[in-house]
Amino acid sequence: AQSVTQLGSHVSVSEGALVLLRCNYSSSVPPYLFWYVQYPNQGLQLLLKYTTGATLVKGINGFEAEFKKSETSFHLTKPSAHMSDAAEYFCAVMGTYKYIFGTGTRLKVLA
Amino acid sequence: SQTIHQWPATLVQPVGSPLSLECTVEGTSNPNLYWYRQAAGRGLQLLFYSVGIGQISSEVPQNLSASRPQDRQFILSSKKLLLSDSGFYLCAWSGQDRAPEKLFFGSGTQLSVL
Repeated sequence: AQSVTQLGSHVSVSEGALVLLRCNYSSSVPPYLFWYVQYPNQGLQLLLKYTTGATLVKGINGFEAEFKKSETSFHLTKPSAHMSDAAEYFCAVMGTYKYIFGTGTRLKVLA
Repeated sequence: SQTIHQWPATLVQPVGSPLSLECTVEGTSNPNLYWYRQAAGRGLQLLFYSVGIGQISSEVPQNLSASRPQDRQFILSSKKLLLSDSGFYLCAWSGQDRAPEKLFFGSGTQLSVL
């Protein structure tokens, strides 16, 4: 069975600083991995996804993630945080018809 | 283009009352449909998913049920709500094939059981 673990339920960064949100996965088959973002009282939007091929995946709003099989990780990064990045971020892995989400990381951006 | 509608946006219900949340998808056929619940600090919990009319898979035994009476309609129900049913409920859909299609989410229903 697939699962994901997000390290850190809350992360604070200063505006302009590097954003790093951590996600580790468990999967018995090559995983399909996703990062979603949720703004308050809204549904989730896809930031990026990894299926096969290039291990560095670029998404919307300047975010990117790197699939590292040896570390079973899929961490999300952004070089320079913006106030508008404040939201909750979810890592997810796809199983058969099912998408399994992590518990989320709430990102706070400090002025 | 495809759209997903979920209503109501907010709902306050007394303990023991029934529940019906509705979700409809437009602009696509044979979608996979999902109900998730989001409780504070607990991420998204998959409740039910459906790969076709009348086909419902339950992920977590609980006080809720789901039905799919039409191809693009997914309903979440309860006969008697519990306090623990409070949360943010999200409907979502994805493409029918097994390719890693992304999930498209509705805007959610905030349910408060008092």
